[in-house]
Amino acid sequence: NAGVTQTPKFQVLKTGQSMTLQCAQDMNHEYMSWYRQDPGMGLRLIHYSVGAGITDQGEVPNGYNVSRSTTEDFPLRLLSAAPSQTSVYFCASCSGANVLTFGAGSRLTVL
Amino acid sequence: AQRVTQPEKLLSVFKGAPVELKCNYSYSGSPELFWYVQYSRQRLQLLLRHISRESIKGFTADLNKGETSFHLKKPFAQEEDSAMYYCALSEKGGSEKLVFGKGTKLTVNP
Repeated sequence: NAGVTQTPKFQVLKTGQSMTLQCAQDMNHEYMSWYRQDPGMGLRLIHYSVGAGITDQGEVPNGYNVSRSTTEDFPLRLLSAAPSQTSVYFCASCSGANVLTFGAGSRLTVL
Repeated sequence: AQRVTQPEKLLSVFKGAPVELKCNYSYSGSPELFWYVQYSRQRLQLLLRHISRESIKGFTADLNKGETSFHLKKPFAQEEDSAMYYCALSEKGGSEKLVFGKGTKLTVNP
Protein backbone atom coordinates (compact mmCIF):
# COMPACT_ATOMS: atom_id res chain seq x y z
CA ASN A 1 0.00 0.00 0.00
CA ALA A 2 1.93 3.01 -1.29
CA GLY A 3 -0.54 5.69 -0.13
CA VAL A 4 -0.05 8.96 -2.02
CA THR A 5 2.81 9.01 -4.53
CA GLN A 6 4.14 12.22 -6.06
CA THR A 7 6.60 12.56 -8.92
CA PRO A 8 9.03 14.12 -9.50
CA LYS A 9 10.53 14.90 -6.09
CA PHE A 10 12.66 17.71 -7.47
CA GLN A 11 12.38 19.77 -10.65
CA VAL A 12 14.08 22.85 -12.02
CA LEU A 13 12.35 24.78 -14.79
CA LYS A 14 13.05 27.88 -16.78
CA THR A 15 10.48 30.64 -16.92
CA GLY A 16 7.86 29.83 -19.53
CA GLN A 17 8.39 26.10 -19.56
CA SER A 18 5.53 23.74 -18.87
CA MET A 19 5.42 20.63 -16.74
CA THR A 20 3.12 18.26 -14.92
CA LEU A 21 3.40 17.16 -11.32
CA GLN A 22 1.99 13.68 -10.97
CA CYS A 23 -0.04 12.43 -8.02
CA ALA A 24 -1.42 8.94 -7.59
CA GLN A 25 -3.16 7.25 -4.69
CA ASP A 26 -4.04 3.60 -4.23
CA MET A 27 -6.52 3.97 -1.38
CA ASN A 28 -9.61 4.52 -3.54
CA HIS A 29 -10.10 7.96 -2.02
CA GLU A 30 -12.65 10.16 -3.72
CA TYR A 31 -11.19 13.47 -2.56
CA MET A 32 -7.80 14.70 -3.77
CA SER A 33 -6.15 18.07 -3.52
CA TRP A 34 -3.01 20.05 -4.27
CA TYR A 35 -1.38 22.48 -1.85
CA ARG A 36 1.68 24.64 -2.12
CA GLN A 37 3.89 25.31 0.87
CA ASP A 38 5.85 28.53 1.08
CA PRO A 39 7.88 29.92 4.01
CA GLY A 40 5.71 32.09 6.21
CA MET A 41 2.61 31.32 4.14
CA GLY A 42 1.73 27.86 5.37
CA LEU A 43 -0.19 25.52 3.11
CA ARG A 44 -2.45 27.05 0.50
CA LEU A 45 -4.99 25.07 -1.50
CA ILE A 46 -4.51 25.23 -5.26
CA HIS A 47 -7.14 22.87 -6.67
CA TYR A 48 -9.18 20.00 -5.39
CA SER A 49 -11.40 17.22 -6.66
CA VAL A 50 -14.27 15.40 -4.97
CA GLY A 51 -14.30 12.60 -7.50
CA ALA A 52 -13.42 11.55 -11.03
CA GLY A 53 -14.50 14.18 -13.53
CA ILE A 54 -15.00 16.88 -10.89
CA THR A 55 -12.48 19.59 -10.05
CA ASP A 56 -12.69 22.96 -8.38
CA GLN A 57 -10.45 25.89 -7.54
CA GLY A 58 -8.89 26.51 -4.19
CA GLU A 59 -7.32 29.64 -2.75
CA VAL A 60 -4.49 30.09 -5.28
CA PRO A 61 -5.49 28.46 -8.60
CA ASN A 62 -3.97 30.95 -11.07
CA GLY A 63 -1.29 29.45 -13.28
CA TYR A 64 -2.29 25.87 -12.57
CA ASN A 65 -4.59 23.38 -14.27
CA VAL A 66 -5.87 20.04 -13.05
CA SER A 67 -7.92 17.16 -14.35
CA ARG A 68 -9.33 14.02 -12.74
CA SER A 69 -9.96 11.33 -15.31
CA THR A 70 -9.58 8.47 -12.83
CA THR A 71 -10.05 8.05 -9.09
CA GLU A 72 -6.35 7.26 -8.68
CA ASP A 73 -4.67 10.16 -10.48
CA PHE A 74 -4.76 13.91 -10.02
CA PRO A 75 -2.02 15.67 -12.04
CA LEU A 76 -1.18 19.34 -11.60
CA ARG A 77 -0.11 21.20 -14.73
CA LEU A 78 1.92 24.36 -14.98
CA LEU A 79 1.38 25.69 -18.51
CA SER A 80 3.93 28.53 -18.38
CA ALA A 81 6.06 28.44 -15.26
CA ALA A 82 6.90 31.66 -13.41
CA PRO A 83 9.42 32.28 -10.62
CA SER A 84 6.48 32.92 -8.27
CA GLN A 85 5.61 29.26 -8.64
CA THR A 86 8.83 28.19 -6.97
CA SER A 87 7.51 26.20 -4.04
CA VAL A 88 7.03 22.80 -2.48
CA TYR A 89 3.88 21.13 -3.74
CA PHE A 90 1.91 18.59 -1.77
CA CYS A 91 -0.78 16.28 -3.03
CA ALA A 92 -3.25 14.88 -0.51
CA SER A 93 -6.21 12.53 -0.57
CA CYS A 94 -9.02 11.82 1.82
CA SER A 95 -11.42 8.97 2.35
CA GLY A 96 -13.85 11.05 4.33
CA ALA A 97 -13.94 12.41 7.86
CA ASN A 98 -11.67 15.21 6.67
CA VAL A 99 -8.39 13.46 7.48
CA LEU A 100 -5.85 14.07 4.75
CA THR A 101 -3.11 11.65 3.66
CA PHE A 102 -0.22 13.60 2.16
CA GLY A 103 2.38 12.75 -0.42
CA ALA A 104 6.07 13.33 0.18
CA GLY A 105 6.11 16.60 -1.72
CA SER A 106 7.62 17.92 -4.96
CA ARG A 107 10.14 20.75 -4.77
CA LEU A 108 9.92 22.99 -7.82
CA THR A 109 12.35 25.76 -8.69
CA VAL A 110 11.57 28.15 -11.53
CA LEU A 111 14.53 30.18 -12.76
CA ALA B 1 -14.74 32.98 4.94
CA GLN B 2 -12.76 30.54 6.98
CA ARG B 3 -9.52 31.74 8.52
CA VAL B 4 -6.94 30.12 10.77
CA THR B 5 -4.36 32.17 12.65
CA GLN B 6 -1.24 30.83 14.28
CA PRO B 7 0.34 33.90 15.87
CA GLU B 8 3.78 32.39 16.51
CA LYS B 9 6.03 31.57 13.56
CA LEU B 10 8.72 30.22 15.86
CA LEU B 11 8.53 28.76 19.35
CA SER B 12 11.50 27.56 21.34
CA VAL B 13 11.34 25.74 24.67
CA PHE B 14 13.65 23.58 26.76
CA LYS B 15 13.16 19.86 27.17
CA GLY B 16 10.75 19.12 30.00
CA ALA B 17 9.08 22.51 29.84
CA PRO B 18 5.40 22.92 29.01
CA VAL B 19 4.55 23.98 25.49
CA GLU B 20 1.49 25.63 24.01
CA LEU B 21 1.03 26.31 20.31
CA LYS B 22 -1.73 28.80 19.71
CA CYS B 23 -4.43 28.56 17.07
CA ASN B 24 -7.36 30.90 16.60
CA TYR B 25 -9.99 30.59 13.95
CA SER B 26 -12.81 32.57 12.43
CA TYR B 27 -15.75 30.70 11.02
CA SER B 28 -19.43 31.35 11.35
CA GLY B 29 -20.55 27.75 11.07
CA SER B 30 -19.70 24.61 12.99
CA PRO B 31 -16.03 23.86 12.39
CA GLU B 32 -13.86 20.82 12.63
CA LEU B 33 -10.37 21.60 13.88
CA PHE B 34 -7.19 19.64 13.35
CA TRP B 35 -3.50 19.76 14.15
CA TYR B 36 -1.11 18.43 11.51
CA VAL B 37 2.62 17.97 12.10
CA GLN B 38 5.61 17.78 9.79
CA TYR B 39 8.76 16.31 11.30
CA SER B 40 12.06 16.87 9.53
CA ARG B 41 12.26 14.85 6.32
CA GLN B 42 8.83 13.32 6.91
CA ARG B 43 5.40 13.80 5.40
CA LEU B 44 2.73 15.98 6.84
CA GLN B 45 0.55 13.87 9.07
CA LEU B 46 -2.45 14.25 11.29
CA LEU B 47 -1.59 14.74 14.95
CA LEU B 48 -5.06 15.07 16.38
CA ARG B 49 -8.57 16.34 15.73
CA HIS B 50 -10.94 17.95 18.16
CA ILE B 51 -13.81 15.52 17.72
CA SER B 52 -11.60 12.62 18.83
CA ARG B 53 -10.82 14.27 22.15
CA GLU B 54 -7.72 12.10 22.47
CA SER B 55 -4.11 12.62 23.47
CA ILE B 56 -1.48 11.81 20.87
CA LYS B 57 2.21 11.74 21.82
CA GLY B 58 1.23 13.59 25.01
CA PHE B 59 -0.40 16.45 23.10
CA THR B 60 -3.95 17.61 23.72
CA ALA B 61 -6.07 20.34 22.21
CA ASP B 62 -9.42 21.62 23.36
CA LEU B 63 -11.83 23.48 21.15
CA ASN B 64 -12.94 26.68 22.86
CA LYS B 65 -15.85 28.02 20.87
CA GLY B 66 -16.19 31.09 23.05
CA GLU B 67 -12.61 32.17 22.36
CA THR B 68 -12.58 30.53 18.89
CA SER B 69 -9.34 28.80 19.79
CA PHE B 70 -7.83 25.34 19.46
CA HIS B 71 -4.50 25.58 21.22
CA LEU B 72 -2.16 22.57 21.26
CA LYS B 73 -0.59 21.74 24.60
CA LYS B 74 1.92 19.34 26.07
CA PRO B 75 2.99 19.44 29.71
CA PHE B 76 6.57 18.21 29.18
CA ALA B 77 8.16 18.84 25.81
CA GLN B 78 10.61 16.33 24.32
CA GLU B 79 13.35 16.93 21.75
CA GLU B 80 11.53 14.69 19.29
CA ASP B 81 8.60 17.11 19.36
CA SER B 82 10.65 19.57 17.32
CA ALA B 83 8.69 20.00 14.09
CA MET B 84 6.42 22.27 12.08
CA TYR B 85 2.88 22.34 13.39
CA TYR B 86 -0.15 23.41 11.37
CA CYS B 87 -3.62 24.11 12.64
CA ALA B 88 -6.38 23.43 10.12
CA LEU B 89 -10.12 23.94 9.85
CA SER B 90 -12.88 22.43 7.78
CA GLU B 91 -16.59 22.82 7.69
CA LYS B 92 -18.22 20.20 9.91
CA GLY B 93 -20.10 17.75 7.80
CA GLY B 94 -18.96 19.57 4.71
CA SER B 95 -16.31 18.90 2.13
CA GLU B 96 -12.83 17.73 2.93
CA LYS B 97 -11.40 21.09 1.92
CA LEU B 98 -9.08 22.14 4.73
CA VAL B 99 -7.83 25.65 5.40
CA PHE B 100 -4.44 25.72 7.10
CA GLY B 101 -2.74 28.27 9.27
CA LYS B 102 0.74 29.51 8.44
CA GLY B 103 2.35 27.10 10.85
CA THR B 104 4.52 27.27 13.96
CA LYS B 105 8.01 25.85 14.03
CA LEU B 106 8.64 24.31 17.42
CA THR B 107 12.17 23.74 18.61
CA VAL B 108 12.77 21.81 21.81
CA ASN B 109 16.25 22.43 23.13
CA PRO B 110 18.16 19.89 25.23
